[in-house]
Amino acid sequence: EAGVTQSPTHLIKTRGQQATLRCSPISGHTSVYWYQQALGLGLQFLLWYDEGEERNRGNFPPRFSGRQFPNYSSELNVNALELEDSALYLCASSTPRQGFNEQFFGPGTRLTVL
Amino acid sequence: EDQVTQSPEALRLQEGESSSLNCSYTVSGLRGLFWYRQDPGKGPEFLFTLYSAGEEKEKERLKATLTKKESFLHITAPKPEDSATYLCAVRRKNSGGYQKVTFGTGTKLQVIP
Repeated sequence: EAGVTQSPTHLIKTRGQQATLRCSPISGHTSVYWYQQALGLGLQFLLWYDEGEERNRGNFPPRFSGRQFPNYSSELNVNALELEDSALYLCASSTPRQGFNEQFFGPGTRLTVL
Repeated sequence: EDQVTQSPEALRLQEGESSSLNCSYTVSGLRGLFWYRQDPGKGPEFLFTLYSAGEEKEKERLKATLTKKESFLHITAPKPEDSATYLCAVRRKNSGGYQKVTFGTGTKLQVIP
């Protein structure tokens, strides 16, 4: 069974640019979650999508946004990039029954903002 | 404000030397405590979910326990392949009915052959 996949693996941008990160969940999983893992900090919850709808949002500014497509894949957009946005961005997926209780993570996208 | 504190930050063990990792939490209305393992350059791998004080779960050399204030991840006779960062997280519902998940910063475990 294929796991959660994310692309790109690495992304380098400059301040003020926009970044788009992509995630494909495990087949049969309808929920997708986005997390930010900055150096020295714990994972910070960003967004939760289920059945194409945004279900929950962490304490991040509106320039962090995303969407979920009909095939349940998801996209995270970060506008007006700032230096402190440099982090590993992790995507996770689960079935509705598993929810937050058992999430399967992808390998992450390393975003570097110069 | 929910808080999750993991200790120690780093732990170095000899192969076969059993030990415990600690996760202390402050959260109102705990709906679940999770343990994950994260290898360098990879996403976290789910290990356990614990729901109520007194609950225990085991998987191979790992055993997780839960009290009202903390959780322990016991590692029995560890092997070098157990080397990883172990993450703890808690979940609750906030006043708006939404899920809130808070992660600790992890314990980096190194097992020396």
